Amino acid sequence: QVQLVESGGGVVHPGKSLRLSCGATGFTFNTYAMHWVRQAPGKGLEWVALISFDGSHQYYVDSVKGRFTISRDNSENTLFLQMNSLRLDDTAVYYCTREGADDYGGKSGFDYWGQGTLVAVSS
Amino acid sequence: DIQMTQSPSSLSASVGDRVTITCRASQGIGNSLAWYQQKPGKVPKLLIYAASTLQSGVPSRFSGSGSGSDFTLTIRILQPEDVATYYCQKYKIVPLTFGGGTRVEIK
Repeated sequence: QVQLVESGGGVVHPGKSLRLSCGATGFTFNTYAMHWVRQAPGKGLEWVALISFDGSHQYYVDSVKGRFTISRDNSENTLFLQMNSLRLDDTAVYYCTREGADDYGGKSGFDYWGQGTLVAVSS
Repeated sequence: DIQMTQSPSSLSASVGDRVTITCRASQGIGNSLAWYQQKPGKVPKLLIYAASTLQSGVPSRFSGSGSGSDFTLTIRILQPEDVATYYCQKYKIVPLTFGGGTRVEIK
């Protein structure tokens, strides 16, 4: 079955860096686009970043552009999020998600989610 | 960027009631709209995509409708296990914005 397992979260001071990982199993990783979504404590969901199936395209929400980098290693079935210059408002649970595909190859929302990893930016 | 606005932000209904949640996009998005359910302390779950297509395994009491800029999620017969926050999301063109969420409680 499909599993997404995030790791790498923790407590970090403002301005520091953190690298999140997401190990994927149970599906052909290199055929799916992948995303990071975050949720600040008690708040709603915020899409953070997207990477295409082959890693050739990346997109970001404006608030993380220039600070975060999404990448993937298809040989290791792993998704990454490098987070630099962390700010207090980056504090959130970060979810790794898979972009689903319908029967015609079109997009179909985020069909699988990891359990999330907490990033706490605190001085 | 296109904004996604959900209403109401919260609601309280009785078991067996019909519940309707709306999601409005600030510009037309065709039918590239998904709905998610997040139960307290749990991971979000995809309910509906393409505005009205039920994800595999989702109970048939959930349905979605709409296109363009106005969308609706309906829970036909509210069950106690439906207590959750529901989010809409535009998913075709970045940024893939979520609505602010609608918390559903049992009266």
